[in-house]
Amino acid sequence: NAGVTQTPKFRILKIGQSMTLQCTQDMNHNYMYWYRQDPGMGLKLIYYSVGAGITDKGEVPNGYNVSRSTTEDFPLRLELAAPSQTSVYFCASSYDRGPYGYTFGSGTRLTVV
Amino acid sequence: DQQVKQNSPSLSVQEGRISILNCDYTNSMFDYFLWYKKYPAEGPTFLISISSIKDKNEDGRFTVFLNKSAKHLSLHIVPSQPGDSAVYFCAGTFGNEKLTFGTGTRLTIIP
Repeated sequence: NAGVTQTPKFRILKIGQSMTLQCTQDMNHNYMYWYRQDPGMGLKLIYYSVGAGITDKGEVPNGYNVSRSTTEDFPLRLELAAPSQTSVYFCASSYDRGPYGYTFGSGTRLTVV
Repeated sequence: DQQVKQNSPSLSVQEGRISILNCDYTNSMFDYFLWYKKYPAEGPTFLISISSIKDKNEDGRFTVFLNKSAKHLSLHIVPSQPGDSAVYFCAGTFGNEKLTFGTGTRLTIIP
């Protein structure tokens, strides 16, 4: 079982470019999340979804967009990339609300130059 | 506003000894706390959790202690093993909503 799969693993973007970070899970989890981790910082929630067709903003949503058309997929879109978006991005999923732990993907390291 | 704080960025412990990782929080509404472990180039993995109505939870070599009056929790690893070398994040949650993470502590186990 693959769990949570993120692509790409690495990407370099130029300022002003756009890209989509892909996230797919095969565990039939209802809840999905996007976090970013900056050096020396904890994980900050960007967006989350409680099911297909439902998304909501997290702590740091500016500059990002998401969609959830299926249970499996939760892509994160960066429009007009800025150096401040240089970070490691993690997608996660969970079966239900609750403190039972998330399953994280291995991350996408993004550099904006 | 850093609601979950891990004030020690790094910790080194001899193999076989006890590792104690600390975490402080400011949000008294948190009703569950979790610890995650992260290896380089991998996503965090869930380690252990504790409800705010308990003061201790144990799972093998890992024990989490919660002191609500001090708004403090700690993770004890006994005995420490080389494979425990990783970054450890504590996190809090309220009402089964989103997790709020601390900044992490890098644990190095010295053989």
